[in-house]
Amino acid sequence: NAGVTQTPKFRVLKTGQSMTLLCAQDMNHEYMYWYRQDPGMGLRLIHYSVGEGTTAKGEVPDGYNVSRLKKQNFLLGLESAAPSQTSVYFCASRGVGGSYGYTFGSGTRLTVV
Amino acid sequence: AQSVTQLDSQVPVFEEAPVELRCNYSSSVSVYLFWYVQYPNQGLQLLLKYLSGSTLVKGINGFEAEFNKSQTSFHLRKPSVHISDTAEYFCAVSDRFDRGSTLGRLYFGRGTQLTVWP
Repeated sequence: NAGVTQTPKFRVLKTGQSMTLLCAQDMNHEYMYWYRQDPGMGLRLIHYSVGEGTTAKGEVPDGYNVSRLKKQNFLLGLESAAPSQTSVYFCASRGVGGSYGYTFGSGTRLTVV
Repeated sequence: AQSVTQLDSQVPVFEEAPVELRCNYSSSVSVYLFWYVQYPNQGLQLLLKYLSGSTLVKGINGFEAEFNKSQTSFHLRKPSVHISDTAEYFCAVSDRFDRGSTLGRLYFGRGTQLTVWP
C-alpha cells in the first residue's frame, strides 16, 4: 500500500550514541516533515524539506540533522543522543498545494538512557 | 506563524453521549483546517478537512466540524460516541496562500484526549 514508512519502529540508545531514522514515501510527494511528539506538547516540527536536496529548520531543530538526497527519502540524524530526545518521532509528507493534508508514518519510539 | 488552541486537553464522556472538541486558530486570513485522530500507538490519520464551500464538514466515523470564520473556530462534534472513539484528536491549520515556504505547512494544536466510558 502507498504511504509513509518509518524505520525503525522502536530503539533504545545510550546517551552519546548516534543513530539515523529513515522515512520513505512512495507517493512522489515534494514536501516531507519530521515531528516529535511529547505528552502534553502535541507535535513539534523538527526539520522539513520542500524538495530533493533542500532542508530547513522547524521549531525544535537543535541536536538533529537531516538530509534529503533522494525525493522519496528523508533522514533524521541524532549525532549525540541525550535523554531529552526521548520521544516519539513522526515523519509526514504531502503533495504540492496547500489544500493537502499530511500523510503520516506510524512513528518511531526512541528512548535514550 | 499560525497558532492553534485546543481548549480542552482531556474530555471524558460516556458512551452514546454527544461530544464537542473545541479548536481555535489565530489567523484571520484564509486558511485550510484539518482534524486528525491518533489511536494508541499509531500514527495520525485524517478525520476531515475544510477547504472551502459549506462551513459544515463531514468526516469519517460520524464526526463533523463547523468552520466559523468570525470566531476563528473549527469545533469537532459527534452526536453519539462509541468506546472505539477513544483516541487523541489534533486540530491543524495551514495557510491558503503562499507566504514563503510556509505554504501548506500544518500548525498543530496540543491535542485533546477523548476517553469514552461504558
